[in-house]
Amino acid sequence: DTEVTQTPKHLVMGMTNKKSLKCEQHMGHRAMYWYKQKAKKPPELMFVYSYEKLSINESVPSRFSPECPNSSLLNLHLHALQPEDSALYLCARPSLGGDTQYFGPGTRLTVL
Amino acid sequence: AQSVAQPEDQVNVAEGNPLTVKCTYSVSGNPYLFWYVQYPNRGLQFLLKYITGDNLVKGSYGFEAEFNKSQTSFHLKKPSALVSDSALYFCAVRSLGGSYIPTFGRGTSLIVHP
Repeated sequence: DTEVTQTPKHLVMGMTNKKSLKCEQHMGHRAMYWYKQKAKKPPELMFVYSYEKLSINESVPSRFSPECPNSSLLNLHLHALQPEDSALYLCARPSLGGDTQYFGPGTRLTVL
Repeated sequence: AQSVAQPEDQVNVAEGNPLTVKCTYSVSGNPYLFWYVQYPNRGLQFLLKYITGDNLVKGSYGFEAEFNKSQTSFHLKKPSALVSDSALYFCAVRSLGGSYIPTFGRGTSLIVHP
């Protein structure tokens, strides 16, 4: 049990839509991560939040907009996505000691 | 810089036979090493890690991994494979005292045949 929840499980959107992905953790961890994973590939880091501030942005296009309203919640706002953005989007949190990452179940995003 | 190599795209094994999924790494300083498993349409599940101590690490679902510093390897093993072990396995590394973001290998698809 990673105690990281992600909603929705699946999302289908058009290229002109605006949608949001949500990630929650209730362990009080001060860091949270967004990853993008294409089929049968390793996860690619997108963003890191530390103490609710964006600390790493791995040159992600501006059509992805992260938000961390509080220490338990992480949002990823999506706008004007392209079909190649279709992927599994994973949220992760660190272990108590910070040495290990634990992943949520992911949101499967399809952009039509 | 840190990197991970998983030399096999796919490993096939018969149920009941031992399995090995290979991983070698490159990192400055002492490594933190991890194995994750991913079942279809699921997130990555943590299996085990090596930080320090015994070279043989035991993890979830009967898996273990052996840290070999001289060969810079961290192969995943299980004495007797199950069909339900069929999944995608990722090895990851980060350096002690370095970035807390791990680097993942490309993944190895394990197929266990009945």
